[in-house]
Amino acid sequence: EVQLVESGGGLVKPGGSLRLSCTASGFTFTNAWMTWVRQAPGKGLEWVGRIKSKADGGTRDYATPVKGRFTISRDDSKNTLYLQMDSLKTDDTAVYYCTTGGRDWGQGTLVTVSS
Amino acid sequence: DIQMTQSPSSLSASVGDRVTITCRASQSISSYLNWYQQKPKKPPTLLIYTASSLQSGVPSRFSGSGSGTDFTLTISSLQPEDFATYYCQQSYDTPRTFGQGTKVEIK
Repeated sequence: EVQLVESGGGLVKPGGSLRLSCTASGFTFTNAWMTWVRQAPGKGLEWVGRIKSKADGGTRDYATPVKGRFTISRDDSKNTLYLQMDSLKTDDTAVYYCTTGGRDWGQGTLVTVSS
Repeated sequence: DIQMTQSPSSLSASVGDRVTITCRASQSISSYLNWYQQKPKKPPTLLIYTASSLQSGVPSRFSGSGSGTDFTLTISSLQPEDFATYYCQQSYDTPRTFGQGTKVEIK
């Protein structure tokens, strides 16, 4: 059974940083292209970014609102996906989900950016 | 970025109704279109991929159609568990943009 478990959310001040983790099990993480999606309170889904498998080049792509501030990385030895979020803004307040490109999703972790 | 526009934004329907939601892309995306269902406080679940392929385990009352820029999600006979918000998403190019969502409510 595929499991994705996000962690690392919390309250952070504007301009601050936070690193989210997503621990995966039940599938071959090394081969997976992994994605972060977020959802602001009461709003729709927003694609944040994706990292390809190392075999496919490990390329990272980002949504325009987070480009230059967020960094996606992966540690295949730990079956873990990361989202490093810097220069956080109040608009970044959301539940952050990791997903295997849409088929499997974690339960999400809440990030609140507020002074 | 490719813009995805869903209509309507919300609808009210009764159990047993046939429901249709449309999604339009700002440029051709071939058949690279996914549909998701999301219930409150839960992550989305994949219903349809590549415009018309039913994800394993999804009831056959859900179907998808379309290609190019215009797509449709149809629920043939609405069931109580189908009241939720539905999103389309293009998987043609990055960023993989979503539609704004369609909330299906009980009439």
